[in-house]
Amino acid sequence: GEDVEQSLFLSVREGDSSVINCTYTDSSSTYLYWYKQEPGAGLQLLTYIFSNMDMKQDQRLTVLLNKKDKHLSLRIADTQTGDSAIYFCAESIGDTDKLIFGTGTRLQVFP
Amino acid sequence: NAGVTQTPKFQVLKTGQSMTLQCAQDMNHNSMYWYRQDPGMGLRLIYYSASEGTTDKGEVPNGYNVSRLNKREFSLRLESAAPSQTSVYFCASSPQVPGNEKLFFGSGTQLSVL
Repeated sequence: GEDVEQSLFLSVREGDSSVINCTYTDSSSTYLYWYKQEPGAGLQLLTYIFSNMDMKQDQRLTVLLNKKDKHLSLRIADTQTGDSAIYFCAESIGDTDKLIFGTGTRLQVFP
Repeated sequence: NAGVTQTPKFQVLKTGQSMTLQCAQDMNHNSMYWYRQDPGMGLRLIYYSASEGTTDKGEVPNGYNVSRLNKREFSLRLESAAPSQTSVYFCASSPQVPGNEKLFFGSGTQLSVL
């Protein structure tokens, strides 16, 4: 079945880069997503990448996709305390409109 | 623009009690979803509705029922609550653009079953 895996925690110093990794299983996923969840709130779509792309950059965010290894990463440049949150990767299931979410990575940024 | 609104925000139930979680969206989205979030397990899909009048089971439907009352509203019912249903519940909607499932989430309902 589908499975999306992430490491549970990441701690970085303010100003450094953060890299959050994700592995997925459904090779037919059309899009892969990164969602951000701040404390006490729902998830918000951060960015996404089309499956035929290798990289997508959006201001401080860089998404890298290695389709061969089914590996997705999110790099946050110049990490700020406001970036502290839980980050979820998600893959779409084939041609359905359902998403499978990873376990989430809690990013903690310290001064 | 309210987006996705869930009520209540918090609820405590005793084992065996029933309750309904309400969700409404004002974005004219076709698809609506109920997820539960548990520590270390991410979000798991309980039920979803691809359009008004249709519902389908997700990954963890047991112990739940849903109603897509109209295009705006999608409710989740626990008929006989169990401690294993202690969780944070999120409702979401999406415009159902094929192959691009951008979900918009509500702020969640924290449910404790004693």
